[in-house]
Amino acid sequence: QSALTQPASVSGSPGQSITISCIGTNSDVGNYNLVSWYQHHPGKAPKLMIYEVSKRPSGVSNRFSGSKSGNTASLTISGLQAADEADYYCCSHGGPTTPWVFGGGTKVTVL
Amino acid sequence: EVQLLESGGGLVQPGGSLRVSCAASGFTFGSYSMFWFRQTPGKGLEWVSTIDTTGYNTYYADSVKGRFTTSRDNSKNTFYVQMDSLRAEDTAVYYCAKGGTTWYYFDYWGQGTLVTVSS
Repeated sequence: QSALTQPASVSGSPGQSITISCIGTNSDVGNYNLVSWYQHHPGKAPKLMIYEVSKRPSGVSNRFSGSKSGNTASLTISGLQAADEADYYCCSHGGPTTPWVFGGGTKVTVL
Repeated sequence: EVQLLESGGGLVQPGGSLRVSCAASGFTFGSYSMFWFRQTPGKGLEWVSTIDTTGYNTYYADSVKGRFTTSRDNSKNTFYVQMDSLRAEDTAVYYCAKGGTTWYYFDYWGQGTLVTVSS
C-alpha cells in the first residue's frame, strides 16, 4: 500500500480538464511544500511535470498545473491531449524517517 | 542533453547478488545527488536509495537497508547499486534519477532495468 493515495484512473475527452488528487497526511503533503508529479509512459523514463507543489520545469506545457490544500495535492491537466495518456505519480517529502513517499499512480485515459 | 542509462539488470536466484549501474551524461555529475527507485510489477514507484554528491553519505529505504549499497564514481559519471541477499520481492524495474536543485524532486530519470529474482 502506497503512502500517498491517488485514484487508480481518471479519464477525459480531448480538450477537457482533469484533476488528479494525491492525499497524504500532515506528516508529508500537509507539512511540506515539496510535492512533485511525474508522468510515466510505460517503457519510457518518467518525466518531471511539477515540483514544489506548483512549479513547472522548463519545457513542460502550461496545460499542467499543481496545487495543494491541506493534506491533498492536485495535478490538473487542461486541454487534454492524446499524448497526455500515461500514468501519473505524486511524490512528497515525508520527513526524516521517510524522506520520499509516492502515490500508487493514476492512469489517465483520453477517451 | 541529460541522459541516464541503467545497465546490469537480469535474472538472479534468491539470496544472490547483482550490481546495477547508471551512466550519466549531459550535466555536471559530481554536483548532484543521485537516486535509485524501483517499480514492482503492477505497482507504483518506491524510493530505494540516495547518494549525495561526494558519495560519503547514503540513505536507504527500510526494505533494502543492510542488503543494498549505493556508490558513485564521479570520475566516470556513474553510480551503482550493489544488491545482495536478493529476495523475490526485490523483483522490479530499477530506475536511476538525478536530483534537482534540491533533493526533494528528480528532474531526469533513466528508462529502467529489470531485475528478476527467481529460482
